[in-house]
Amino acid sequence: GNSVTQMEGPVTLSEEAFLTINCTYTATGYPSLFWYVQYPGEGLQLLLKATKADDKGSNKGFEATYRKETTSFHLEKGSVQVSDSAVYFCALTGTGFQKLVFGTGTRLLVSP
Amino acid sequence: DTGVSQNPRHKITKRGQNVTFRCDPISEHNRLYWYRQTLGQGPEFLTYFQNEAQLEKSRLLSDRFSAERPKGSFSTLEIQRTEQGDSAMYLCASSSLKGLAGDYEQFFGPGTRLTVL
Repeated sequence: GNSVTQMEGPVTLSEEAFLTINCTYTATGYPSLFWYVQYPGEGLQLLLKATKADDKGSNKGFEATYRKETTSFHLEKGSVQVSDSAVYFCALTGTGFQKLVFGTGTRLLVSP
Repeated sequence: DTGVSQNPRHKITKRGQNVTFRCDPISEHNRLYWYRQTLGQGPEFLTYFQNEAQLEKSRLLSDRFSAERPKGSFSTLEIQRTEQGDSAMYLCASSSLKGLAGDYEQFFGPGTRLTVL
C-alpha cells in the first residue's frame, strides 16, 4: 500500500537558518503530494502541494519539488522564523484524490 | 466562520461507554473524511463519504465504530463500548470534487479529543 516516511524530529534551528525536512514515499500510480502544518493548538492546514512529477509547490517561503525518480518531496525554507515552529506532515493521495496517507510528522522548533 | 466544525472539542468518558462525535463540513463540499490521530503520530484514515454514500472504510474501523452522513451534509462518528486504546484526536475533513483538475484540497476541522478512562 501507499506510505510516507519523513525524518524524525525534533528539528531545532536558530532563526534565519535553512530548513530541510526529508520526505520519501511509496505509491502505485500517480500520487499527489502534500505538506500540512499543525501549529500549536490549531488544526491541520495545507501548506503546499504538487500533483505531478517535477511540479514545485510553494507557499509562505516554503518549497517542495515532486521528484518521481527519487520518490521524494523534501520541504525547504531558506530562512526560518520563530513563527514557523510547528509540526509538519508530509502526505499523499492516490489517483482520484481520496484518502490522505500521512507521515508521522516532524516537529520544528525555531529559537530567536 | 465557514470552516469545518467539530463537536464536542473534548470528550472524557469511562471505558465501556458509547460516544458520538459530530462534524459539519464546509457548505457544498461533497466529500467528508474521518481520521484518527494519536500522540506523536500522523493522522490515520478511518472512512470517507461522497455525499451520503460511505465509499471506503479502513481496517482500523472495527465493528464498534460506525459513521453516518444521512443527508450528505453533517456526519456523525459513534464509538460503542469504548476502550482505552480509542483515546485519540478524531479529525474530520471535507473537500469538493470538481473533476480531476478541480479543487481537491481537504480542509480539516479542529478535531475532537477523546479520553477514555
